Amino acid sequence: EDQVTQSPEALRLQEGESSSLNCSYTVSGLRGLFWYRQDPGKGPEFLFTLYSAGEEKEKERLKATLTKKESFLHITAPKPEDSATYLCAVHSNSGYALNFGKGTSLLVTP
Amino acid sequence: KAGVTQTPRYLIKTRGQQVTLSCSPISGHRSVSWYQQTPGQGLQFLFEYFSETQRNKGNFPGRFSGRQFSNSRSEMNVSTLELGDSALYLCASSPGQQNEKLFFGSGTQLSVL
Repeated sequence: EDQVTQSPEALRLQEGESSSLNCSYTVSGLRGLFWYRQDPGKGPEFLFTLYSAGEEKEKERLKATLTKKESFLHITAPKPEDSATYLCAVHSNSGYALNFGKGTSLLVTP
Repeated sequence: KAGVTQTPRYLIKTRGQQVTLSCSPISGHRSVSWYQQTPGQGLQFLFEYFSETQRNKGNFPGRFSGRQFSNSRSEMNVSTLELGDSALYLCASSPGQQNEKLFFGSGTQLSVL
């Protein structure tokens, strides 16, 4: 059975303090790994899709990387507006649906 | 382009009642998926509809059902509500091909008393 584990569960950063969020996965054939951002009271918002080990994607202060066992979401010089829950999800050969991790709740303080 | 619209935004029901939630996908999207989100379990897949047919189903009891109409709008129904059904129910749409990103609505927050 596919498993997706995100760590840490919660992270508090000072503005400008760079860090990384981790998403470890065990799947029967990875077809895609997705990162989403979710703000309170809203649905998840798509950030990145990664398909193969070694792939990297960037958007503003965010950079996502992928290995055969895990993905990292690197946040460089975060701002308070980056505060949100970041969700990782995988699509595997075992089915159509995205399998989500429980998320990392990020708080960036001024 | 309008996003995914879910109604109602909030709902309060009592145990034993039934509830129907509605989802209007992005125009042109033929696939609609439903997820349940709770603090303890995170997002869990309920089912997915494509062109009015249920294409995939998660591990939820038969009390949870859904349907999709010819205009791609979808409804989800939960019968005989239980306290544990309290959750944020999210609808997501996509054009319909596998392994593509999902566009989520803001959800319906269901509270069962």
